[in-house]
Amino acid sequence: AQKITQTQPGMFVQEKEAVTLDCTYDTSDPSYGLFWYKQPSSGEMIFLIYQGSYDQQNATEGRYSLNFQKARKSANLVISASQLGDSAMYFCAMSLLLMDSNYQLIWGAGTKLIIKP
Amino acid sequence: NAGVTQTPKFRILKIGQSMTLQCAQDMNHNYMYWYRQDPGMGLKLIYYSVGAGITDKGEVPNGYNVSRSTTEDFPLRLELAAPSQTSVYFCASRDLGTGYNQPQHFGDGTRLSIL
Repeated sequence: AQKITQTQPGMFVQEKEAVTLDCTYDTSDPSYGLFWYKQPSSGEMIFLIYQGSYDQQNATEGRYSLNFQKARKSANLVISASQLGDSAMYFCAMSLLLMDSNYQLIWGAGTKLIIKP
Repeated sequence: NAGVTQTPKFRILKIGQSMTLQCAQDMNHNYMYWYRQDPGMGLKLIYYSVGAGITDKGEVPNGYNVSRSTTEDFPLRLELAAPSQTSVYFCASRDLGTGYNQPQHFGDGTRLSIL
């Protein structure tokens, strides 16, 4: 069965340091996508970055990069030069193809990141 | 840019009452979704729609109903509210694509408490 695992319930990181948030997944589908979302204390879900199962290179979006290791089934989010505004819950999600080009997102339990000044 | 708009933002219901959570998107997206997020958890899919007039159940549909009469609107109906439905509800939409590579765009959520 498809599953997303985030093993770090919470993390404290000093401002300006880099941080890696872990995500492992399990699927038997050859085509899938991996997404990271940020949820600040205000509650909205903000899309950060995407990695496709066939992508050869790791995705990057500004200070965010995704360390995709397909053989290990891991898709860790790396935030470089962390800022106080990065404090939030971070969710890893995987697409599960339903039908008619539609897909469901399966979500991990999230990691609460707190950046210390 | 409005994106996905959810109303209300907060609501308290009594057990057995009914209500409709509204969701509207202005991006002309065919695909729309309703999720619930329980405390300390990720999101779980309640219902989804691939276009006007077409809806289907997700993994936790019991106690909910949806309709999709237009591309823009995807309301979620709670009948006979129960304490187990206390949660934060998110509506999302996405554009067409090859299927698995399009991000979903979320509304700000509705915090619902059933007392």
